[in-house]
Amino acid sequence: DAKTTQPPSMDCAEGRAANLPCNHSTISGNEYVYWYRQIHSQGPQYIIHGLKNNETNEMASLIITEDRKSSTLILPHATLRDTAVYYCILTYTGRRALTFGSGTRLQVQP
Amino acid sequence: EPEVTQTPSHQVTQMGQEVILRCVPISNHLYFYWYRQILGQKVEFLVSFYNNEISEKSEIFDDQFSVERPDGSNFTLKIRSTKLEDSAMYFCASSDPDSGGTDTQYFGPGTRLTVL
Repeated sequence: DAKTTQPPSMDCAEGRAANLPCNHSTISGNEYVYWYRQIHSQGPQYIIHGLKNNETNEMASLIITEDRKSSTLILPHATLRDTAVYYCILTYTGRRALTFGSGTRLQVQP
Repeated sequence: EPEVTQTPSHQVTQMGQEVILRCVPISNHLYFYWYRQILGQKVEFLVSFYNNEISEKSEIFDDQFSVERPDGSNFTLKIRSTKLEDSAMYFCASSDPDSGGTDTQYFGPGTRLTVL
């Protein structure tokens, strides 16, 4: 089972930053934090991942605490198209199966 | 941008029939996967495939399921005798394990399988 804890739902106003938390207090030293999202019933979409440093790409930023026990996905300017279920997943190099939890349902409000 | 494609988008079959779901992974990827998502439930891992062999499979992936890479581009999931409970979205994914020490999986749009 997934070793992450996420709030079941969040709301965000369009144009504002969406900050999605994830708790992974039992993370191992070799585990990466991955974020995916799923819009309606489409295939999960990769967003970003990191090991211990903060990461940024064209979609989002990932902030990982120094003790690595939690992280935050930041969508800097949320749009209606960002309404989706966001999954925080731990995995390590060589592990093939991704374990999806229930995720956070983000609703971006106009 | 390269992407994983899947066909058909929707498959309707009768219970007991065989179905083959098709996927074209990203061309330079070496690992291939199948996941499923029953309506309203979590995305579940089924199987991973590398170098023409299954590298990992879940308890769901029983003898009714098989995977194959019949040529250099396609990756298929076969369900031999479908059951009502096989109704789900089936997602194919692929990854390139040489991408800097991590192994990001990229998913296709899915095939909705409906078993009547």
